[in-house]
Amino acid sequence: GDSVIQMQGQVTLSENDFLFINCTYSTTGYPTLFWYVQYSGEGPQLLLQVTTANNKGSSRGFEATYDKGTTSFHLQKTSVQEIDSAVYYCAMSRNNNNRIFFGDGTQLVVKP
Amino acid sequence: EAAVTQSPRSKVAVTGGKVTLSCHQTNNHDYMYWYRQDTGHGLRLIHYSYVADSTEKGDIPDGYKASRPSQENFSLILELASLSQTAVYFCASTRTGGIAEQFFGPGTRLTVL
Repeated sequence: GDSVIQMQGQVTLSENDFLFINCTYSTTGYPTLFWYVQYSGEGPQLLLQVTTANNKGSSRGFEATYDKGTTSFHLQKTSVQEIDSAVYYCAMSRNNNNRIFFGDGTQLVVKP
Repeated sequence: EAAVTQSPRSKVAVTGGKVTLSCHQTNNHDYMYWYRQDTGHGLRLIHYSYVADSTEKGDIPDGYKASRPSQENFSLILELASLSQTAVYFCASTRTGGIAEQFFGPGTRLTVL
């Protein structure tokens, strides 16, 4: 069945560190892949979205590449800041009634 | 700008009581969703709807009902609240056609005692 796997429950970094959050997915065909970010006390919001395999999405300094070969969509940022502290959700959709399947989320804590 | 609002923002309910969570969107979107968020489980889909007066079951519908009286409004109903339904609930909406971004409300924190 459809699933999204995020193995890292929490990542703790210092400002200006490099960020890498793992995400792998399982489905048939070519899904659209997303990263959503949820700041404390708010609902999730779209960070970036990639529809085409091998393409890269980027937003606010974050990047993710749609790798169909390894079925991965890892999130990266060269230099994190304290304001990046949030929960990051990897997600995918096969346009099945516009449903999106979310991973369990990764809590990012950035220390000043 | 897209807007999804939820009420109440926080609620304490007693076991066995009835709880209704409300969601209102001004996006003119056809699709609306109810998710439950628990630590370690991410966002799980409870019910969704793609047209007024019709609802569909998501992945964890047991113990929940949904109502979509109009395009703008979508409610989640717990007829007999239980301790295990303590969680944060999010409503979201999205447009029809293609794979589109879901817009989320701010969430409702429900505590069942």
